Amino acid sequence: QVQLVESGGGVVQPGGSLRLSCVASGFTFTNHGMHWVRQAPGKGLEWVSYIHYDGTFKDYTDSVEGRFTISRDDSKNTLYLQMNSLRAEDTAIFYCARDLHRSFDYCGQGTLVTVSS
Amino acid sequence: EIVMTQTPLSLSVTPGQPASISCKSSQSLLHSDGKTSLCWYLHKPGQSPQLLIHEVSNRFSGVPDRFSGSGSGTDFTLKISRVEAEDVGVYYCMQGIQVPWTFGQGTKVEIK
Repeated sequence: QVQLVESGGGVVQPGGSLRLSCVASGFTFTNHGMHWVRQAPGKGLEWVSYIHYDGTFKDYTDSVEGRFTISRDDSKNTLYLQMNSLRAEDTAIFYCARDLHRSFDYCGQGTLVTVSS
Repeated sequence: EIVMTQTPLSLSVTPGQPASISCKSSQSLLHSDGKTSLCWYLHKPGQSPQLLIHEVSNRFSGVPDRFSGSGSGTDFTLKISRVEAEDVGVYYCMQGIQVPWTFGQGTKVEIK
C-alpha cells in the first residue's frame, strides 16, 4: 500500500532553516510527481510546492518562492523540502502528497514545523 | 490566483440525513483537454487529508458511494446521501488547473 512518511520538522527561530524529508513506499516513486501541502494552526489547507516525476519542473506558491526548494532523490524514494529564511507564518503541519493529475491522492501523516523565538 | 468559496462553513447533520456543500471558483476550472480540475478532500481530526472526489465526479478508490460530486465550470457540489458518524471532519474543495493550487476555506461537518 502507498506510504508516505515525513520527518525533519521541529522548532526553529525566525530566519532559520529546516529540511523536510518524505520517504515513499508501496508504489513506483519515479512515476509520480510529488507535492508539499501545509496547514497552519487553526487554518485551512495550503498548497506549497510541486515537483515533476522526473524532477525537470518545479513550482511554488508565491509566499515561499525563493525561500523554499523542493527536490527528490529517486535512489532513496525520498522527497525533500529545503526551507530557508523561515518566518512565523510558516508555522504549520507539512504534508507530502502524491500527484494524481491536477490533484493529489495520498498524503503522509505530516511533520510539524514551528517558527518561534 | 483562483479563489475558491465554499458554503456553508459549518454543517450539523443527523445521522442518516443528506448533506450538501457548495464550492464556487473565481474562474472556470475547465481545462483545454476537456477535463475539469476540481476535487474534494476530507480532513479528519488528527489524520491526513484524504481524497474523496477528483475531476468533479470521480470517486477515489475505496470512497463509499454515498459521496458524490457534480458541477461544471465554476459551480460545484459535494453531496453525502446519508451521513454517518465517520464522516465528521472538514471538507475542502480544491482546484488544480492553475498554480498556485487553491483550496476553499473548508466546511466543518459535525453530527447532531
